[in-house]
Amino acid sequence: DTAVSQTPKYLVTQMGNDKSIKCEQNLGHDTMYWYKQDSKKFLKIMFSYNNKELIINETVPNRFSPKSPDKAHLNLHINSLELGDSAVYFCASASGANVLTFGAGSRLTVL
Amino acid sequence: GENVEQHPSTLSVQEGDSAVIKCTYSDSASNYFPWYKQELGKRPQLIIDIRSNVGEKKDQRIAVTLNKTAKHFSLHITETQPEDSAVYFCAAEPGGSYIPTFGRGTSLIVHP
Repeated sequence: DTAVSQTPKYLVTQMGNDKSIKCEQNLGHDTMYWYKQDSKKFLKIMFSYNNKELIINETVPNRFSPKSPDKAHLNLHINSLELGDSAVYFCASASGANVLTFGAGSRLTVL
Repeated sequence: GENVEQHPSTLSVQEGDSAVIKCTYSDSASNYFPWYKQELGKRPQLIIDIRSNVGEKKDQRIAVTLNKTAKHFSLHITETQPEDSAVYFCAAEPGGSYIPTFGRGTSLIVHP
């Protein structure tokens, strides 16, 4: 049973399109995250969310929006995709013990 | 916010040698310092972590040291093996934030 699963694994799309990446965790964790990993491997926090609070990295464009239908899901919606959005997006979750469990990543390619 | 600097960006060693990766952080409120290993094409995975009430922690061939006064922490890998080749990330997390800030990563290459 995959602890943190995200779909799709690969996503190729045209500039200007809107796309979503889904994330689900079955660990019962309270906090979920989205990280962006660029071509230089830098892991940048985009959002963190628990059942109380959404924290947004202020450098993230408002074309990106997280949506959490319930505690086990945190989906990422991206509007008006740009070339610079091409990256691997990792979902992660954590309990109060701080240890992050990452999903396998979703590679987004914008043409 | 927290800022984490990590060095070196690339580290090349011979099998059996030791490897050391160093990180510094800026926020004195940070009290949790994990290290993640990311193999090529895979997800980052925790390999060891340390909290601010401890100065050193070991787990077999890996160890982490923390100097709170100087705001730096290091990862030490002894007797390196080719399967240690990966990108290693340090991170620092201010108490109560639950949001780790990552360093830029170190690509470790272990030559057989």
